[in-house]
Amino acid sequence: QVQLQESGPGLVEPSQTLSLICTVSGGSINNGNYYWNWIRQPAGKGLEWIGRMYTNGNTNYNPSLKSRVSISGDTSKNQFSLNLRSVSAADAAVYYCVREGAGAYWGQGILVTVSS
Amino acid sequence: QAVVTQEPSLTVSPGGTVTLTCGSSTGAVTSGHWPYWFQQKPGQAPRTLIYDTTNRHSWTPDRFAGSLLGGKAALTLSGAQPGDEADYYCLLFHGGIRMFGGGTKLTVL
Repeated sequence: QVQLQESGPGLVEPSQTLSLICTVSGGSINNGNYYWNWIRQPAGKGLEWIGRMYTNGNTNYNPSLKSRVSISGDTSKNQFSLNLRSVSAADAAVYYCVREGAGAYWGQGILVTVSS
Repeated sequence: QAVVTQEPSLTVSPGGTVTLTCGSSTGAVTSGHWPYWFQQKPGQAPRTLIYDTTNRHSWTPDRFAGSLLGGKAALTLSGAQPGDEADYYCLLFHGGIRMFGGGTKLTVL
């Protein structure tokens, strides 16, 4: 069964770039008809879809974040990553990576705080 | 941009049946929106219950069922248990992107 694990800094300074990695085990990111998603959840609030990357590398992004976000894959490491530029306090959240396709498998999430 | 709507809160009695719905501001929800349903308990990551309208994951109890009902996606819980108390989120595919509803807080009481 596929497993996903988020990693990256838990603290990012305002105006800097948030960079997270999702390491996938139990399946290859370039095999199969899967979408590799990033989703976030601010404390006490609902889920927000950030964007996703298809197996072939094509991407879709939330229009509200599109100007600041990029998602890409590294097949040699079986990882995909999230970069969110120019962060502010509003970007503080738990960030999840999720494999979508014949169901959805979630990572455990990583808490990111934005502060100087 | 479309808005995905869910009931903010619902209450069900133990052993009872409740239906949560997921609507779209653009019109009827269809199978082409590829609805998902997720359950989230406090302090935990969400867990997928239903995908592509009606499909259960291997870990999804049979008491949860997904459907289309009255122009919305629906999640019906039959025989509610105290452990089903949680937040429930739907996710729709809309014009090339995915969109979450605001979530339903389900109380079993």
